[in-house]
Amino acid sequence: KAGVTQTPRYLIKTRGQQVTLSCSPISGHRSVSWYQQTPGQGLQFLFEYFSETQRNKGNFPGRFSGRQFSNSRSEMNVSTLELGDSALYLCASSLGEFTGRRKETQYFGPGTRLLVL
Amino acid sequence: QKEVEQNSGPLSVPEGAIASLNCTYSDRGSQSFFWYRQYSGKSPELIMSIYSNGDKEDGRFTAQLNKASQYVSLLIRDSQPSDSATYLCAITGFQKLVFGTGTRLLVSP
Repeated sequence: KAGVTQTPRYLIKTRGQQVTLSCSPISGHRSVSWYQQTPGQGLQFLFEYFSETQRNKGNFPGRFSGRQFSNSRSEMNVSTLELGDSALYLCASSLGEFTGRRKETQYFGPGTRLLVL
Repeated sequence: QKEVEQNSGPLSVPEGAIASLNCTYSDRGSQSFFWYRQYSGKSPELIMSIYSNGDKEDGRFTAQLNKASQYVSLLIRDSQPSDSATYLCAITGFQKLVFGTGTRLLVSP
């Protein structure tokens, strides 16, 4: 079974631009979560999508948004890029959504490394 | 208090030794616990998941969960240089997965 795929793998943008990242989950997985990883902050939760609906959102500004399609593929968009948005953006898929404080295993994609100049 | 705490390390062990990695968490309601390994420049890969108190073994890896004391640990037996990586502990909060900042493990030949 193919793993989680993310495109593109690397991106260089300038401040003020916007960027769209794509994630294809493992076949049969319906939940997609997005994370930002930086050396200073570690892995920070951005949002989770299940059945095309955003289920939860982390503490990020509204410039960060996402969506999920009927085939469970997901996109993340960052508008008006800032230098601090330079990070590794990771997508993770799992079979089901959170039920309270219980969650099935999430499997990570290779990530998209974004550099904002 | 951080939601998930790990010692950043590095934890240095000789090849063949047992490496012990620890993680404490603050949310008593957490029900799902995970250990991921991350090599430099790569994405996290799952090592173990554990949901109930006690030990869970998988090959050279053993995860231990103690909900009363709010800690989860990972033991790596017969450590190999290829185990050198950052180990991330992840705990479920309400409707999200919370990661520790990771412990860097160095296994010397």
